Amino acid sequence: DTEVTQTPKHLVMGMTNKKSLKCEQHMGHRAMYWYKQKAKKPPELMFVYSYEKLSINESVPSRFSPECPNSSLLNLHLHALQPEDSALYLCASSQDRNGRRLHEQFFGPGTRLTVL
Amino acid sequence: GQQVMQIPQYQHVQEGEDFTTYCNSSTTLSNIQWYKQRPGGHPVFLIQLVKSGEVKKQKRLTFQFGEAKKNSSLHITATQTTDVGTYFCGSNTGKLIFGQGTTLQVKP
Repeated sequence: DTEVTQTPKHLVMGMTNKKSLKCEQHMGHRAMYWYKQKAKKPPELMFVYSYEKLSINESVPSRFSPECPNSSLLNLHLHALQPEDSALYLCASSQDRNGRRLHEQFFGPGTRLTVL
Repeated sequence: GQQVMQIPQYQHVQEGEDFTTYCNSSTTLSNIQWYKQRPGGHPVFLIQLVKSGEVKKQKRLTFQFGEAKKNSSLHITATQTTDVGTYFCGSNTGKLIFGQGTTLQVKP
């Protein structure tokens, strides 16, 4: 199984809502990532988890809260978002050899988020 | 951190013509990865280059890593409509930083 799955595919939420994005992989990868992608732009790294521990936070606002419950799952909790947070949120995974994450990344199909 | 500049931003070609996208960095890169994102899709890994002067081929696609490891290119020979999409290069040092991407349109 070389697939990364993400749910939901689409999400519309108000600025006062709380929602969560979910990501799952069964490739045995120990590194998982969240990216944000705006239209006609490259994916921007948000968070990196290595062996279920948060390794990198790219100065992301606290209204985005990541969670890695186990080695296969990655969540992104959303609260009090702004309309400018509307984007495609991509999850990815890769091998992690003792913190060295130089291998190819496998991306999920993404969640298209609209904040009203 | 390592940053890569990618050009051109857009390229429109007639089917059968060749296409090239370039990535450049002011610093030496430990590696370069290439991804393709189809319209409405997600990035899909194509290849990784790590050695100075490395050249790799995948059918009609040729990838090169410069001798100084500061630049890379992706060349597609005789484009087809299935080649449409955005091609991203990226430097992966434990976190993957993408170039701006080149969007390829192919006219049948």
